[in-house]
Amino acid sequence: EAGVVQSPRYKIIEKKQPVAFWCNPISGHNTLYWYRQNLGQGPELLIRYENEEAVDDSQLPKDRFSAERLKGVDSTLKIQPAELGDSAVYLCASSRRSARETQYFGPGTRLLVL
Amino acid sequence: KQEVTQIPAALSVPEGENLVLNCSFTDSAIYNLQWFRQDPGKGLTSLLLIQSSQREQTSGRLNASLDKSSGRSTLYIAASQPGDSATYLCAETNFGNEKLTFGTGTRLTIIP
Repeated sequence: EAGVVQSPRYKIIEKKQPVAFWCNPISGHNTLYWYRQNLGQGPELLIRYENEEAVDDSQLPKDRFSAERLKGVDSTLKIQPAELGDSAVYLCASSRRSARETQYFGPGTRLLVL
Repeated sequence: KQEVTQIPAALSVPEGENLVLNCSFTDSAIYNLQWFRQDPGKGLTSLLLIQSSQREQTSGRLNASLDKSSGRSTLYIAASQPGDSATYLCAETNFGNEKLTFGTGTRLTIIP
């Protein structure tokens, strides 16, 4: 089966510019996650979807970050405007039903904000 | 607040040796613990998942153990190979929420 697909793989933008990341989870996986991983750190959850519902967005900086998962499949994470501190790797993951099952990760999008 | 710690941050061992990676957690209501591997510039690959009711899981040369009473998990790698070089992260899930809390990882280098 195909894995989690993310695009773009790399993105360089200037601060205050908008940026968007796209994720296509594994077919049939109901739960989708967006994580942010800073250099030398473990991933931290930004938002978790069950189907099209955001069930945990407590760690999402809502003043500048937004996410959507239309039709409960693909998802988009947006930052507007980007700040220097947003430079990180943004990882998307999916699991069949719940966060208590194995999560499968995409390759990530490496964002550099100048 | 759930905290996961991995020490050391980096480890180098000669090829062929057996090795143990450590993971400590503060969560007394752990639901499960997972070990992941991350290669440079890539996402995470799940290696083993241990439920709180289990004490260990094995896959090939890998064996992961879980001791809830001491708040520790170990990942044992037998007969290490250069291809095992990567960063290894552990992550736990709590009974009360469905959030994975990750450690900062151990960067493993196998010296040929």
